[in-house]
Amino acid sequence: KNQVEQSPQSLIILEGKNCTLQCNYTVSPFSNLRWYKQDTGRGPVSLTIMTFSENTKSNGRYTATLDADTKQSSLHITASQLSDSASYICVVKWMIPGGYNKLIFGAGTRLAVHP
Amino acid sequence: DTAVSQTPKYLVTQMGNDKSIKCEQNLGHDTMYWYKQDSKKFLKIMFSYNNKELIINETVPNRFSPKSPDKAHLNLHINSLELGDSAVYFCASSQEVSASGANVLTFGAGSRLTVL
Repeated sequence: KNQVEQSPQSLIILEGKNCTLQCNYTVSPFSNLRWYKQDTGRGPVSLTIMTFSENTKSNGRYTATLDADTKQSSLHITASQLSDSASYICVVKWMIPGGYNKLIFGAGTRLAVHP
Repeated sequence: DTAVSQTPKYLVTQMGNDKSIKCEQNLGHDTMYWYKQDSKKFLKIMFSYNNKELIINETVPNRFSPKSPDKAHLNLHINSLELGDSAVYFCASSQEVSASGANVLTFGAGSRLTVL
């Protein structure tokens, strides 16, 4: 079954600290993996998109890694800020045989950054 | 502002009623989507339209009917609302058409539907 699992479910860190969020997936075949940030009451916003051939990609203080062999990805946030408080959702693009794609969403990790 | 906008943001209604959620994008994208985010926070695709044509129709009840008058609009009509329909519904758009593009989805802010 094509699934995307994220851990931890929730995380509390102090402002200025680093943290790493995990994503494991069983989606196959997959086209790309993306991380989205969803602020409370808002729609998800894309942070990074990585194809299976990319190992790491950065977007400011966000760095995503991908190991397509072990089907694992991580999102590392450095020097956290209060505005980083949000849900971070891992999304894997499943290449459905026959032509269509489907995005498989994880349930997200809820990050709270405290002063 | 270029965006995906959906209305209403909040909708509270009684079981059995019929309601619609509207979505418009001014990004010039070819593909629009409706997602449902349930209480466990999973986002699940419901429908996808490309240039006004339905290309993905997940297994959702027939009570849900998308309508795309043009490629900038994708409205969601729900008949005979049930308690289990309570969720946040997100509209999104993207430029991708084919299977292998690394497209970015742009989401609307969501419409929270509560069925009493």
